[in-house]
Amino acid sequence: EDQVTQSPEALRLQEGESSSLNCSYTVSGLRGLFWYRQDPGKGPEFLFTLYSAGEEKEKERLKATLTKKESFLHITAPKPEDSATYLCAGYNFNKFYFGSGTKLNVKP
Amino acid sequence: DGGITQSPKYLFRKEGQNVTLSCEQNLNHDAMYWYRQDPGQGLRLIYYSQIVNDFQKGDIAEGYSVSREKKESFPLTVTSAQKNPTAFYLCASSIGWESEQYFGPGTRLTVT
Repeated sequence: EDQVTQSPEALRLQEGESSSLNCSYTVSGLRGLFWYRQDPGKGPEFLFTLYSAGEEKEKERLKATLTKKESFLHITAPKPEDSATYLCAGYNFNKFYFGSGTKLNVKP
Repeated sequence: DGGITQSPKYLFRKEGQNVTLSCEQNLNHDAMYWYRQDPGQGLRLIYYSQIVNDFQKGDIAEGYSVSREKKESFPLTVTSAQKNPTAFYLCASSIGWESEQYFGPGTRLTVT
């Protein structure tokens, strides 16, 4: 079954404590994978697109990587303003598959 | 200032009434999408349109209808046939199917 699974569901970090969020996928014919950030009560904000295994993209304290089975969103020295839900979505020619998200809480 | 607007932000309706959610974009994007988001679940695709006057059903189209008469606009009607309409509704647009989607701020619909 084609699907995207994110883990953990929730993650609590101290400010400055680096960690990674996981997005594993079993999407046949994967064409690409998106990462989004979503604040409570708002629409998701686009972060990255990854197209092929080995690809990496960075933006400020965030770095996204892609392998043949999963993607990671690494957060280096997070700040409280990084607290949000992070969504990943894989797609093929037919469909988009969204994960249910990882809710990140960064304590000062 | 380019972007996607959704209105209203909050909407309350009585059971049995149809309601239309607005979505407008000025990004000159060809593709537009409607998603539903429920607590603890991923986004679920309701309808999408890749070009004006054409649209396709997503995973959960039953009880919903859309139109795409203009490139900029993709309204969603939640009909009385939708069994569980209370949810957060998100509209998105993209240059094309394989491009990143940009989301609007969402409409929270409550039906009682």
